Amino acid sequence: EVHLLESGGGLVQPGGSLRLSCEASSFSFSDYGVAWVRQAPGKGLEWLSTIDSSGRSTYYAESVKGRFTISRDNSKNTLFLQMNSLRAEDTAVYYCAKDAGPTGLIFFDYWGLGTLVSVSS
Amino acid sequence: DIVMTQTPLSSAVTLGQPASISCRSSQSLVHSDGNTYLSWLQQRPGQPPRLLIYKISKRLSGVPDRFSGSGAGTDFTLKINRVEAEDVGIYYCMQVTHFPRAFGQGTKVEI
Repeated sequence: EVHLLESGGGLVQPGGSLRLSCEASSFSFSDYGVAWVRQAPGKGLEWLSTIDSSGRSTYYAESVKGRFTISRDNSKNTLFLQMNSLRAEDTAVYYCAKDAGPTGLIFFDYWGLGTLVSVSS
Repeated sequence: DIVMTQTPLSSAVTLGQPASISCRSSQSLVHSDGNTYLSWLQQRPGQPPRLLIYKISKRLSGVPDRFSGSGAGTDFTLKINRVEAEDVGIYYCMQVTHFPRAFGQGTKVEI
């Protein structure tokens, strides 16, 4: 069964940085696009970023463009999200999600358990 | 940007009875490749989202057949044929046709 495990969350001060990881297993990671989606406490889901299977194509929501960077290491089956200039409104559970195809442009068929990021002084 | 609007936002259902959730997009979700990338997700309390339906009406493997999706263009519906206790949670529609990806606000289903 597809497994996605996020890590790297925690408490960070406003203006600080954090790097999230998502380790994938039980599928051929390098064949699929992957994405980050977040959920603020008690709120709905917000798509943040998608990366294709090769890592050459990336897409961002306006809310994080210029502050967050998505990347992947296919040799380590791992997806990353570098988050800079963090704000209080970035406080959320961050999920990684696998796309059903290589482009990252189809649908998210599997989701990780999430990692909590809290931005507060 | 596309706005996804779900109705109702909350639904109290009786076990064994049907339930229906509507999702409307502000623009057509028909992709240039001819597909409509509208998905339905379930989020049980304290759990991550889980894909139920993709491309309007296709159930992911392992999803009970009491869940069905329908619709076209800008109007879509998720139906639960006979609600079971394990169906309690929040249901989201999501469009993957256009960037930025967008989710509906969520519909809370409770017994």
